[in-house]
Formats: sequence, structure tokens, C-alpha cells
Amino acid sequence: AQSVAQPEDQVNVAEGNPLTVKCTYSVSGNPYLFWYVQYPNRGLQFLLKYITGDNLVKGSYGFEAEFNKSQTSFHLKKPSALVSDSALYFCAVRDPMDSSYKLIFGSGTRLLVRP
Amino acid sequence: NAGVMQNPRHLVRRRGQEARLRCSPMKGHSHVYWYRQLPEEGLKFMVYLQKENIIDESGMPKERFSAEFPKEGPSILRIQQVVRGDSAAYFCASSPSGRSSYNSPLHFGNGTRLTVT
Repeated sequence: AQSVAQPEDQVNVAEGNPLTVKCTYSVSGNPYLFWYVQYPNRGLQFLLKYITGDNLVKGSYGFEAEFNKSQTSFHLKKPSALVSDSALYFCAVRDPMDSSYKLIFGSGTRLLVRP
Repeated sequence: NAGVMQNPRHLVRRRGQEARLRCSPMKGHSHVYWYRQLPEEGLKFMVYLQKENIIDESGMPKERFSAEFPKEGPSILRIQQVVRGDSAAYFCASSPSGRSSYNSPLHFGNGTRLTVT
């Protein structure tokens, strides 16, 4: 069965510094990977996805993520953090062998960017 | 903005009452997913529906929970005889139909926050 791990409950970074939010996955086939962001009392907003092709994918708000098949990772990155990036971030995987197309989410990582 | 619409945003129920949560998918979407988010936790898949069909209910509790997506109208998640442990945020997401949905992200509503007193 597919699963996602986000090993850090919280990541703290100073504004202007680079940030990384870690994600590793486990699926039976080639994974489809997604990152979402959640602001307080809101739903999840889609940031970016990896389906196939270039291992470095770019998404909304200056975020990018790198797919690493050998390490089964899909870490979220941003070169220069903003205070407004503070939110809850979720990594998700879709197993293409799963006919229901559902996403399996990690437990989330809270990003705190201090001024 | 024809996004995923969920109502109500907040719902308070006493133990033993019924809770009904509604979800209207994005325009043109015919697949609906329900997820539950407990406080300080991630989202747990509950059920996947297409119009008039439950496709995957592997995440649904065996008792008291049911879901439907009728031919007309919103999808409904129903919780009978609620207990305090049902207090959570319930999110609905939708996606387009067909093979292209494999490549598509799910689009989420803002959720219904259920509080059981």
C-alpha cells in the first residue's frame, strides 16, 4: 500500500533564507507526487506536482520540488522564504496502480518563517 | 469562482445527533473525495464517489458513516449518532473524469468543521 512520510513536524527558517520541507514515499509503481499548502481554517491549495519528466518541478509562489527516485523522496524547496509562506504543508502520493485515483497524504509539516 | 463548495463551514452537534455535510464539486468535475482531518493531523482518505456510485470506501468507518453522490445535487457525507471522536474537519475534493484525472491534482473545498459537544 502507498504511504508518505514527512519526518519533520515543524521547520523553522528566517525570512530570506532557503527552505526545505522533506517528504519520502512508498508506492508499488511509478509515483505521482503532489505538494499542497494549508492556511488556517482553509482547504488545501495545490502547489506543484511530479508526474514524469524533469526531476525538478516548479510550482506556485516560487516553490519547487525535486524528485529523487533512488531515495524515494520529493522534497519541497524555496530559495528565499517569506513570512507569508508560514503555513502547513502536505506531501501526497497517487499510486497509478490504484484505480480510485485517490491521494494519500503525509502528516504535514508546519513551516514557520520568522522575520 | 466555481470552486469546490462545502457547507456548512461550521457544524455543532450534540452526542447522538446526526450530521450532514454537503459538497458541490467544481464545475465539470464528476469525481468526489471525502477526507477527514483530526486536530494536528494529516488528511485521511474516507471515500471516493462518482455520480450515483461509491467507488472506494476503504477509509470509511464501518458504522454510522455513509456517503452519497446523487445524479442531481451535492454529495452528502452523513454521520449518524455522532460521538466526540467525530469532531474534526471534513474536506471534500473533486477531480475531472477520465484517464486525465490521473495527472490532475484534487481541488479542495474549505471544509466543514464538526464539533460534537
